[in-house]
Amino acid sequence: DAKTTQPPSMDCAEGRAANLPCNHSTISGNEYVYWYRQIHSQGPQYIIHGLKNNETNEMASLIITEDRKSSTLILPHATLRDTAVYYCIVRVLDAGNMLTFGGGTRLMVKP
Amino acid sequence: DAGVIQSPRHEVTEMGQEVTLRCKPISGHNSLFWYRQTMMRGLELLIYFNNNVPIDDSGMPEDRFSAKMPNASFSTLKIQPSEPRDSAVYFCASSLTGYDSPLHFGNGTRLTVT
Repeated sequence: DAKTTQPPSMDCAEGRAANLPCNHSTISGNEYVYWYRQIHSQGPQYIIHGLKNNETNEMASLIITEDRKSSTLILPHATLRDTAVYYCIVRVLDAGNMLTFGGGTRLMVKP
Repeated sequence: DAGVIQSPRHEVTEMGQEVTLRCKPISGHNSLFWYRQTMMRGLELLIYFNNNVPIDDSGMPEDRFSAKMPNASFSTLKIQPSEPRDSAVYFCASSLTGYDSPLHFGNGTRLTVT
C-alpha cells in the first residue's frame, strides 16, 4: 500500500471548518484515497473517497491535488460530535477491498 | 439497513478458555473482514473473506485463531485457548466486492482475557 502521513493531532473551533491534511506521495495512478473516522468506542465510519477529482457528500469534502500526492478532508462546520480519529488510507487495487489503517489524526473540536 | 451486527459487545473470560465472536454482515455484501484494535498496534486486519471463501489470513496471529464463514450472513472468529494478550476490540466489516466499495464496520466486541 502507498504510505500515508497525517499529523497526529489537530484542534478546531466548533462551527469552523476543519481541514485535515494527508500526504501520499507514493500513490499510484489507480489507487483511491479513502477517509474514515473512529469516534471513541465505535467502529470506523466511512466518510468519503476519491480517485482524481474532488468529491463532496453530506458529511465532508475531499480535495485531491492535481499530482495526487496529497489530499485534504474538509468538515465545513465542525461540531463537538466530529471529535474523532480520522484515517486517510490509500487502497491497493489488487489487495481486494481490504484497508490498511495507519495512526490517523486525532481531531479535537472545542467549544 | 441494520448495519453490521456483532455479538457479544463485551466478553470477559479467563485465560485458556475458548472465545467465539460473531458477525452478521450487511445483507447483499459479499466481502467480510475481521480486524483487531489495540492501543499498541492500532487497527490490524486479521482475515478477509470473499463470497464466503477466506482470501487472506496472513494477519491471523497464531493457530489459536480461526475464522469461518459458513454462509453469506454469518461469520465467527474463534480463539482457543485464549490468552491475556488477546485482549482487544475485534471489529467485523463488510462490503460489496469492487475496488471502490467502502467497508462498513460493526461496533466491535471488546474482549478481556484475565
